[in-house]
Amino acid sequence: AQSVSQHNHHVILSEAASLELGCNYSYGGTVNLFWYVQYPGQHLQLLLKYFSGDPLVKGIKGFEAEFIKSKFSFNLRKPSVQWSDTAEYFCAVNARNTGNQFYFGTGTSLTVIP
Amino acid sequence: EPEVTQTPSHQVTQMGQEVILRCVPISNHLYFYWYRQILGQKVEFLVSFYNNEISEKSEIFDDQFSVERPDGSNFTLKIRSTKLEDSAMYFCASSARSRAGGLETQYFGPGTRLLVL
Repeated sequence: AQSVSQHNHHVILSEAASLELGCNYSYGGTVNLFWYVQYPGQHLQLLLKYFSGDPLVKGIKGFEAEFIKSKFSFNLRKPSVQWSDTAEYFCAVNARNTGNQFYFGTGTSLTVIP
Repeated sequence: EPEVTQTPSHQVTQMGQEVILRCVPISNHLYFYWYRQILGQKVEFLVSFYNNEISEKSEIFDDQFSVERPDGSNFTLKIRSTKLEDSAMYFCASSARSRAGGLETQYFGPGTRLLVL
């Protein structure tokens, strides 16, 4: 079965610091990749997604992610975080040829200190 | 923009009672999901549903749980005999098939907060 790993469980940053959250998946085939965000008290919302094409994808609120196929990674980045970025971030993978399941990582809790 | 809706937003029930959580997925989506999130913990997959049957389910989704698409719009999660540990936020999601292959983005509903006393 596929799995998704997010190695950073808790990240604390000061405002204006740069952010990189790791995401690795275990599946050798073609995948669709997603990052979701969950702000406190809210439901999951899509930040960005990668299906094909340019491996550097840009999402909402200044976030971007880079798909590196050789490393099975899809890391999320933001050059300068804001207090309002405090949230849980989930990486998800859908394997194109095997089933309808989205596999979520365990999430990374980001706290941005003003 | 189309959205997934869920009712009720909050449900309080006594242990042992049956609850039905309702979801209206986005109208042209064919893939449906339930997830739960226990307070302070991560989002956990429960079940996926396609073509009127369960595609995959997790270990959490035991015989106490069932899903149904009773008509063309609703997608329900039933918990037959609730336990204290079923208290959680339950999220419904739906998705369409992507032209590129695989599935499009999952769109999540706002959740139902279930409290079992």
